Amino acid sequence: QSALTQPRSVSGSPGQSVTISCTGTSSDVGGYNYVSWYQQEPGKAPKLIIYDVSKWPSGVPDRFSGSKSGNTASLTISGLQAEDEADYYCCSYAGSYTWVFGGGTKVTVL
Amino acid sequence: QVQLVESGGGVVQPGRSLRLSCAASGFSFSSYAMHWVRQAPGKGLEWVAVVSFDGNIKYYPDSVKGRFTISRDNSKSTLYLQMNSLRAEDTAVYYCARDRVPIAAPGDWFDPWGQGTLVTVSS
Repeated sequence: QSALTQPRSVSGSPGQSVTISCTGTSSDVGGYNYVSWYQQEPGKAPKLIIYDVSKWPSGVPDRFSGSKSGNTASLTISGLQAEDEADYYCCSYAGSYTWVFGGGTKVTVL
Repeated sequence: QVQLVESGGGVVQPGRSLRLSCAASGFSFSSYAMHWVRQAPGKGLEWVAVVSFDGNIKYYPDSVKGRFTISRDNSKSTLYLQMNSLRAEDTAVYYCARDRVPIAAPGDWFDPWGQGTLVTVSS
């Protein structure tokens, strides 16, 4: 399976919104509503922030929101804060009990 | 609190074997499927394997199928990854992560994750 495609980096000023795209195919992102997103701060383990395309785990602020259209999923961070500076990864079910991740996007708060 | 602690990483020559461990605590380990996910230096994440709550059902991507074996010992609350015929491209930090259900399902996600253990395959 090929990795999902994410932009290498996005940036924004505090308070602004940024959106990260995650493009796959009809065999993964487009075929299932099973996209999750993970935040990874430098030197730390990934942390789940969105599951089932647009649902929040307990404790995750609603500044993070997810959506999907066709073969592309998106993560939007509203009201960007300095603590949001991290790498973000999307993940999709890819059929036959396999999962595929994106290459990751570095979010920089200007 | 829920905790996952990986160990067993190190430097290994190409073609050799290595076994990773993941010690779980703070939850009912035997009630959840468990995954391994890896991250090559400076690269993205790659799903490596999943095992059901009882150890009977296992899935792998083509990149490791036939070389890696996932297993678990519920009496010790420990997850394992046996890696054989290692290649340079297997160099990565290996994370264990808990599933949301006892048996892998399409809607699965990974939460929480351990801190990872580094495997370097080099001569």
